Amino acid sequence: KQEVTQIPAALSVPEGENLVLNCSFTDSAIYNLQWFRQDPGKGLTSLLLIQSSQREQTSGRLNASLDKSSGRSTLYIAASQPGDSATYLCAVSPLNTGTASKLTFGTGTRLQVTL
Amino acid sequence: GEEVAQTPKHLVRGEGQKAKLYCAPIKGHSYVFWYQQVLKNEFKFLISFQNENVFDETGMPKERFSAKCLPNSPCSLEIQATKLEDSAVYFCASSPYSPTGELFFGEGSRLTVL
Repeated sequence: KQEVTQIPAALSVPEGENLVLNCSFTDSAIYNLQWFRQDPGKGLTSLLLIQSSQREQTSGRLNASLDKSSGRSTLYIAASQPGDSATYLCAVSPLNTGTASKLTFGTGTRLQVTL
Repeated sequence: GEEVAQTPKHLVRGEGQKAKLYCAPIKGHSYVFWYQQVLKNEFKFLISFQNENVFDETGMPKERFSAKCLPNSPCSLEIQATKLEDSAVYFCASSPYSPTGELFFGEGSRLTVL
């Protein structure tokens, strides 16, 4: 059974810092990995999607890397801003096409960026 | 529409009552997913659809949960005879072309069972 863990569980940084969020998964047979953010009382917003054949994806100040063989992904946020404060979740899609829509979510990292 | 629309935002039911939640996916999206967020970050997959056909229902508690996506109607998730442990936020998501593509989530429906 796939298990996805995120470290740290919570993080507080001053504005302007660069930071790294970690995601690890136990089964490397994945189709892709997605990073989401969730604001309080809201749904999930997709940030980046990395296919299993890719090593990284970038969008603005965000960069996500994937090392499938070691079961790890990182989300790098450059020059953090208070608006980045949210819970960040990673989720993996299994390789089996019949259940590929069944994402397994990580435990989340709650990020607070202070002024 | 341009967003996944979920209704109602909040629903309160007494134990044993029926609950029905609705989801309108983004227009043109072929895949619809339902997830249950029980504790703060524990997301549990329930079911996915490709248009009106069930794609994967391996997460559904079959005894009391059912879901449909009919043409020209919002998708629905129904819970018969609710239990206290059904209290959760139920999220709907849609994806345009693939069951493994980028997901677009609604804001969720919070079900409270008393």
